[in-house]
Amino acid sequence: AQSVTQLGSHVSVSEGALVLLRCNYSSSVPPYLFWYVQYPNQGLQLLLKYTSAATLVKGINGFEAEFKKSETSFHLTKPSAHMSDAAEYFCAVGMDTGRRALTFGSGTRLQVQP
Amino acid sequence: GAGVSQSPSNKVTEKGKDVELRCDPISGHTALYWYRQRLGQGLEFLIYFQGNSAPDKSGLPSDRFSAERTGESVSTLTIQRTQQEDSAVYLCASSLVGQGYGYTFGSGTRLTVV
Repeated sequence: AQSVTQLGSHVSVSEGALVLLRCNYSSSVPPYLFWYVQYPNQGLQLLLKYTSAATLVKGINGFEAEFKKSETSFHLTKPSAHMSDAAEYFCAVGMDTGRRALTFGSGTRLQVQP
Repeated sequence: GAGVSQSPSNKVTEKGKDVELRCDPISGHTALYWYRQRLGQGLEFLIYFQGNSAPDKSGLPSDRFSAERTGESVSTLTIQRTQQEDSAVYLCASSLVGQGYGYTFGSGTRLTVV
């Protein structure tokens, strides 16, 4: 079984401030982990993914995430927020055995204040 | 095509009517997924296709929901006797085999049942 918990349904930061979106997962086998971003009225776009290579993963738009097995976490960060980062962010977990569909968290809406 | 295409983009239907939602995946992507996203909520898995077989239908909420896929191509999600609680954005995604690749999502079909 696999599950994802995203702490904080809404996060607000000032432009230029650090962005930290939290994701914890549970998985009975080594997981694949993903972050997706959804802009208003659009589908989801892959930001980055972890697939058992480097634990620090860099994605698009300056985002990165670190896989920490001991904490079962995959938090998303960006050093300096831009107004264009305002969107909803989803963490997802998958595994290559058993059920093949990704399990998504409930999402975190990021607001960026000027 | 270059991306995952979904049609229609918007659908308003009367309660009790049947609707068909279409998904055209990326050429060569053998895996296809349907998810539902209710307003303000995360993604709810519906069904997964590998080729034209559906090894995981566990997310279909009732027998009013069905889906089929022609070869490794177009998929149709059908909702019979629609209810107001079916109102949501229905998202389709496709991927290469193996969850490590992640998904490419379409822009979704926004279904409103009145």
